[in-house]
Amino acid sequence: EDQVTQSPEALRLQEGESSSLNCSYTVSGLRGLFWYRQDPGKGPEFLFTLYSAGEEKEKERLKATLTKKESFLHITAPKPEDSATYLCAVQAAGNQFYFGTGTSLTVIP
Amino acid sequence: DTGVSQDPRHKITKRGQNVTFRCDPISEHNRLYWYRQTLGQGPEFLTYFQNEAQLEKSRLLSDRFSAERPKGSFSTLEIQRTEQGDSAMYLCASSDTGTGGMRTGELFFGEGSRLTVL
Repeated sequence: EDQVTQSPEALRLQEGESSSLNCSYTVSGLRGLFWYRQDPGKGPEFLFTLYSAGEEKEKERLKATLTKKESFLHITAPKPEDSATYLCAVQAAGNQFYFGTGTSLTVIP
Repeated sequence: DTGVSQDPRHKITKRGQNVTFRCDPISEHNRLYWYRQTLGQGPEFLTYFQNEAQLEKSRLLSDRFSAERPKGSFSTLEIQRTEQGDSAMYLCASSDTGTGGMRTGELFFGEGSRLTVL
């Protein structure tokens, strides 16, 4: 069964304290792995797509990486405005996207 | 604004009433998805359309839920005889078919329609 697991569930960081979020997955025929940011009461906002193991994408303080079993979202020197829930999703052989439960990130000034 | 729009943003209804949500996708996107999200959970797949055809529907979806996408443009999601357990954020997303081959387009979400069933 296709499955996506994110860890940790919640993460509190001091401003400037770098860390990583994990997304592990088991899918048959990965077509893509996606990272989203979601602010309270809003829809998820697209961040990155990764298609194959070894691929990396960067945007400002965020960097996403992909292996055959997991993806990491690295946050370098975070700021309070990076506080949000970060969601990981995978698309398998069909056209469904399966989401994890997210990591709630709080960055303290 | 050419993003995904959803209406209404908030709906409060009494148990047993019917509700309908509308989604207008990004105009050039041919795929449209409906998701449901409850507090502390990730979005849960409900159904998706390619153009006007409903291609997949979650096995967990009650027959009280129905979705349409006439003419392959906007979509509606109707919930009949609402129950308190239907209270959630209903998210609509659209995508294109990607850059060819196995590559696929990412989902772009609307702001959601929050349903509260009393």
